[in-house]
This record gives sequence, C-alpha cells and structure tokens, in this order.
Amino acid sequence: QQQVKQSPQSLIVQKGGISIINCAYENTAFDYFPWYQQFPGKGPALLIAIRPDVSEKKEGRFTISFNKSAKQFSLHIMDSQPGDSATYFCAASGGSYIPTFGRGTSLIVHP
Amino acid sequence: EAGVTQFPSHSVIEKGQTVTLRCDPISGHDNLYWYRRVMGKEIKFLLHFVKESKQDESGMPNNRFLAERTGGTYSTLKVQPAELEDSGVYFCASSLLLAGEQFFGPGTRLTVL
Repeated sequence: QQQVKQSPQSLIVQKGGISIINCAYENTAFDYFPWYQQFPGKGPALLIAIRPDVSEKKEGRFTISFNKSAKQFSLHIMDSQPGDSATYFCAASGGSYIPTFGRGTSLIVHP
Repeated sequence: EAGVTQFPSHSVIEKGQTVTLRCDPISGHDNLYWYRRVMGKEIKFLLHFVKESKQDESGMPNNRFLAERTGGTYSTLKVQPAELEDSGVYFCASSLLLAGEQFFGPGTRLTVL
C-alpha cells in the first residue's frame, strides 16, 4: 500500500526545459511535504519543502505546487540543467516527523 | 563539518550469513534513523533512535534485524541470518532536533545471493 504515489518513474528533459514531477498522498494527517534530491553515490538531501498552509513555494529554479483538496503536490524545475540530473523523492510526514517517501523519479537533463 | 558516514559502502553476502552495517551520525545529533530502499521502490523507515534509546522501531521487518546504538554515538544494524529479500540500500540519517532536517548518509548497498 503506497501512501505517497510519485510519477513519472523516469524523466528526460532537454537543457533549459521544465521538469515536472507529481506526487499524491492519501493520509490527511500529513502536514509537511519535503522533496529530496539524490545524486549517484550520495544519500538523499533535502531540496525544498512546503506546509499545507501555502499553495506554492519557490526557491531559485525549484518550485513546489501544493493542492490540498486534491491531495497532490508537484515539483517544478525551471530552466533544467545537466547538473540537475539526479533522483528526486517526494515525501510526506505528520506528527511522527518520519517521512513517507515516494518511489523516486530519475531525472536526466540532456545538454 | 563531517556528514553522516556509513560503512561498508557495499556488501555482498550469501543467504544465511550475517552482516553488520555501521552508521556514524553527525556529531551532536541525538536522533538517528535507519531506512531501506529496495530497488525501484520507496525509501522505507526502519527505526529511530534518540540517543541510545529506540524511539520507534515500527518499520523493522522482523527479528532477523537488530539495531543498536551503544553510548548514543554510532549505530549498527545487524542482519542475521540474511535472506534474499534483504537486498537493498540501507540509509542512515541523523538530525539535531526531533522534527529537524534529517541528513542522510551515502548508504550501504547490500546484496544477498
């Protein structure tokens, strides 16, 4: 039973394009939605996070869009660069602060 | 400042053998977490230590897995005896505060043949 569903599994984008990764959750007790970025040979690292009291959060080229009623959130990477090539995980957590992760999206940005 | 370190980076063992994974958290981080990612699947929580005490071990798959954190510093995760389905990448993470940002180690890739 997947509590956080992530799509697509893999994504190929040209340099300068927009990368979009979507996630959906079921547990309405979740109140913190982080995205992690993982490069080969490294562990996941917190990239950006949002709480449900806002619908959008932007940090540089990375934006989270959040739709509470639909229980969906997405990561948008604007002007994607080859250095953005990595695996991205969405996650959600509630009172326990233990994140429930999606299955990950492997992003490749072609130069 | 040194990050979370894990040893070994890779381990290949045969079914029925024992393997011990080690995690050294960031110095001063009382909270230590173990996670596992089976290939292509989500990263799943295994357990959480606060100092040397197990705060939450609800994610431990079965009694073949034993985690310890003697002295509240480094932690070990022992799998005995290992089964094929134990293969995956085991991540350790640490945080300063209970609800604080978790910093992940590079993981240990375990292959059970």
